[in-house]
Order: sequence, then C-alpha cells, then structure tokens
Amino acid sequence: DGGITQSPKYLFRKEGQNVTLSCEQNLNHDAMYWYRQDPGQGLRLIYYSQIVNDFQKGDIAEGYSVSREKKESFPLTVTSAQKNPTAFYLCASSTGNSNQPQHFGDGTRLSIL
Amino acid sequence: LAKTTQPISMDSYEGQEVNITCSHNNIATNDYITWYQQFPSQGPRFIIQGYKTKVTNEVASLFIPADRKSSTLSLPRVSLSDTAVYYCLVGDIFNSGGYQKVTFGTGTKLQVIP
Repeated sequence: DGGITQSPKYLFRKEGQNVTLSCEQNLNHDAMYWYRQDPGQGLRLIYYSQIVNDFQKGDIAEGYSVSREKKESFPLTVTSAQKNPTAFYLCASSTGNSNQPQHFGDGTRLSIL
Repeated sequence: LAKTTQPISMDSYEGQEVNITCSHNNIATNDYITWYQQFPSQGPRFIIQGYKTKVTNEVASLFIPADRKSSTLSLPRVSLSDTAVYYCLVGDIFNSGGYQKVTFGTGTKLQVIP
C-alpha cells in the first residue's frame, strides 16, 4: 500500500541532545511537510519541501532542521536549540500542485526525559 | 491569509446528520476549501475538497454558497467511529508560487453519542 511512514512512534530526548525523526513516502509525491501539534491545538508548519534538495521554513522553524536528499525521504532533526520539543510531530506529502490534499503519516510523539 | 473560524466542539447522537460550518470571510479567488478528519494520536485524513456549490463523495458532502465566505461539511448518519476533530483549511501554500501561510486551526471536536 502506498503511504507515509513515520518512525519511531515514540521518542525520548535527553536535555541537550539532538534527535532525528524519520519520514518516508512511497506515493511519488514531490512535496513534503513537517508539522508540530501540541495538546488540544491545531497543526503548525515547521518546514516544507517542494522538490528534492530544496526546502523552506514554515511558521516555527527555529530549533529544527531538515534535509531532502531523496524524493522519498524528509527527516526532521529536533536540535538542542528547541527549548520546548515535547509535542506530536506529523509528516505529510502531496503532489506539490496547487490545492492538492496532503497525505499524513501517523506521527511521532517526542518527550523530554 | 485566509483565516478560518469553526465551532470548537459539537455533540451528536448516532444516526443523525451532522453539519459543521466554517467561516472564511477573506477567501481568495484561487483558494479551495479542504476538510480533514483527525483521530487521537493519528495524522489528519483528507475528507473532501471543493471550490464552489456542492461536492459529494462516499463519506461526506461539502456545501459552498455563492459568496464562498463559508462552507459546511455534512456527515450523513454519523456513527461512534466519526468521533474526531474536523479541520477546515482554505488555500494552499503553493498557490502563489511563494509561501502562503495556511493554518490548521484547532478544528471542531465532534463527539458522537450512543
């Protein structure tokens, strides 16, 4: 089945540590996205990528970094500069054409030890 | 920026039709309206999208009046499994060729009661 796979489902980070969240898609989509969701809140865009080797900051990019070396993969690194990283992280993809719906993974829940 | 306003929560009994309205007064000419459903600890799932008038699929209907300043998601004969948060989105970050902020607000939490 085509879809988006996020791993791990749960992740724990120590203070001062960088962690990387994986996102892989086999939908042949050009565009990929990372969102953050806090309890009872909507989704906020961290980074997005329209095409391989290109990505842009969203609304809350500080303390995060991404790479897009392959079409299928868009990993997110939560750096130690992100002071409040505890959240539910969602990866999505779309064709990249205007007004095409996004397909989401089932998220990674990150907590601080 | 096309800001959206939805009710925070709604309750409905099983078997009833549920209508969730979203206001988007400053919708742009090229903006589509998209609805997503999210269950706890899962990613949102696309439900339906429309530009004007009425769109229907196997899951829901979307009604958009001529002025497009609001839209209504209609779920026929809801069941307990329809309990979820429903988000209304207007526009797309790729519309204008540059970054356009598109926000998932807090959505509408629908609780279906037996």
